[in-house]
Amino acid sequence: DTAVSQTPKYLVTQMGNDKSIKCEQNLGHDTMYWYKQDSKKFLKIMFSYNNKELIINETVPNRFSPKSPDKAHLNLHINSLELGDSAVYFCASSPSHGYNEQFFGPGTRLTVL
Amino acid sequence: AQKVTQAQTEISVVEKEDVTLDCVYETRDTTYYLFWYKQPPSGELVFLIRRNSFDEQNEISGRYSWNFQKSTSSFNFTITASQVVDSAVYFCVSYNNNDMRFGAGTRLTVKP
Repeated sequence: DTAVSQTPKYLVTQMGNDKSIKCEQNLGHDTMYWYKQDSKKFLKIMFSYNNKELIINETVPNRFSPKSPDKAHLNLHINSLELGDSAVYFCASSPSHGYNEQFFGPGTRLTVL
Repeated sequence: AQKVTQAQTEISVVEKEDVTLDCVYETRDTTYYLFWYKQPPSGELVFLIRRNSFDEQNEISGRYSWNFQKSTSSFNFTITASQVVDSAVYFCVSYNNNDMRFGAGTRLTVKP
């Protein structure tokens, strides 16, 4: 019954590794998002997809690549992980882009050692 | 680009006090949307309210109320008779034209 799910919930990895975070929504929404929340709780949007089309692509390192195989999924792949990538990553979805309320996943806490 | 300022980094009140969380936004657009989200200690983000720029009506939902004032570019959030469960980080958000901005958040602590 989980509306927006993310896996894994925790991810601990070494610098230089490549990792992926998966996100799925079962709400039938057209739009999905990825956010990064740093240790000071500051939230920043990274990407948004509407009907599998990239809409928002904020200034993030190109080591971060979103992939949307279908409307219900938006995965985040990160190459060559760095210490500064440690954060909580939230996935969210909304019926359409931007002006609707968003439903957030539980977050993935990424720790890069 | 839009900007959202939540000047209050942390607020601490005692249960049953009223508290107002300030939000000031900047935009050059005439059409925009404003939101408030709550992030309790458990970490999930929960939607509270949405307002569009053409609707300046204030809204009340139980102990929560919102005051949208275009003249001062503010969208303040008041909790009446606060409770310990209101302890959370609250984010004010603006959206327009594919530009989404979160404020830095205000951490509210309600002490018993």
